[in-house]
Amino acid sequence: DTEVTQTPKHLVMGMTNKKSLKCEQHMGHRAMYWYKQKAKKPPELMFVYSYEKLSINESVPSRFSPECPNSSLLNLHLHALQPEDSALYLCASSQDKRGRVVGYTFGSGTRLTVV
Amino acid sequence: AQTVTQSQPEMSVQEAETVTLSCTYDTSESDYYLFWYKQPPSRQMILVIRQEAYKQQNATENRFSVNFQKAAKSFSLKISDSQLGDAAMYFCAYRSYYGGATNKLIFGTGTLLAVQP
Repeated sequence: DTEVTQTPKHLVMGMTNKKSLKCEQHMGHRAMYWYKQKAKKPPELMFVYSYEKLSINESVPSRFSPECPNSSLLNLHLHALQPEDSALYLCASSQDKRGRVVGYTFGSGTRLTVV
Repeated sequence: AQTVTQSQPEMSVQEAETVTLSCTYDTSESDYYLFWYKQPPSRQMILVIRQEAYKQQNATENRFSVNFQKAAKSFSLKISDSQLGDAAMYFCAYRSYYGGATNKLIFGTGTLLAVQP
């Protein structure tokens, strides 16, 4: 299995809703990432988990809450989002061999629309 | 801090022709990785090719090859025999060799490639 699977593929939510994005990989990668991508722009890093511990939070608003329940799963919990949070949310994973990252694998993303 | 620059927001190529996408970067490090990623309308970011800075030989993957000029800090992507399926946004990216997952993948602004039949 060489994939990163993201669900759902599309999500429409109101500003008062609570929802979660899910990301799963079974490649034994010990680093997992959340990116936010606006149309025709490069991905922007949000969070990095390394060995199930949060190692980077790029000053993301608290309405985004990441969670890494185990080495294969990464969640992003959403609450009280704003319309400007509408974007493509990409998950990625990478190997981490003795402190060296060797390759990234990206999922196909969740297209989020906040209404 | 490292930066990656893609100076061509959009490019167009005829099917079966060759096109070169430009990428320059700035770094004070000597060991790093460079990547080209393709993002078609299906949205998934797909690795096209990877180059380790310590390797002098340019990486090649089928119709895709790079021209890596370390001294000039240049990393261009050549697509030969272009196909309709090559139409996508292409991102150049940089990553430090060391530091584990806490070192970031730094993206350029992207080049949107259109392939004309």
